[in-house]
Amino acid sequence: AQSVTQLGSHVSVSEGALVLLRCNYSSSVPPYLFWYVQYPNQGLQLLLKYTTGATLVKGINGFEAEFKKSETSFHLTKPSAHMSDAAEYFCAVSDSGGGADGLTFGKGTHLIIQP
Amino acid sequence: EAGVAQSPRYKIIEKRQSVAFWCNPISGHATLYWYQQILGQGPKLLIQFQNNGVVDDSQLPKDRFSAERLKGVDSTLKIQPAKLEDSAVYLCASSLAGQAQYFGPGTRLLVL
Repeated sequence: AQSVTQLGSHVSVSEGALVLLRCNYSSSVPPYLFWYVQYPNQGLQLLLKYTTGATLVKGINGFEAEFKKSETSFHLTKPSAHMSDAAEYFCAVSDSGGGADGLTFGKGTHLIIQP
Repeated sequence: EAGVAQSPRYKIIEKRQSVAFWCNPISGHATLYWYQQILGQGPKLLIQFQNNGVVDDSQLPKDRFSAERLKGVDSTLKIQPAKLEDSAVYLCASSLAGQAQYFGPGTRLLVL
């Protein structure tokens, strides 16, 4: 069975500072990994995904994530936080290529941006 | 391109009542998913359709939850009777085969 652990239910950073949101997974097969963002009262929006190939994945809004198989991690980073980045972030895993199977989500990390 | 549509956006009912949610996926997306998101948690898959057939309903509480996608397009999710613990946001998502999922805005259900 797959599982996702997101370390830190809340992360607070100053505007302009580095954003680092942590995600560790467990999977019995090569995983396909995703980060989604959820703004208040909205659905989830795909930030980026890792399927195969390059382990450093670039997404929208300046975010990127690196797949590290040895550490079973897929941490999300952004060099410089912006106030508009304040939202809930979810890491998810699937054992099919594009996420055609249902996704298993972590509990989410609430990102707070301090002015 | 229109996104995934869901209605209603909000619903308040009393326990033991029934409720239904509707989802219209992105045009051409054969795969449709329903997720339940309880406050403070990540979404949990309830059921997955491929066209009008069920692919995975292993986490659907079948004693009270049902879902259908009769013509392979729109889908409805029903709860009957509702319990207090069913209070959650119900998210619908759709995808092309082997592609990432796109989510609707969700239906927020409160059971009193």
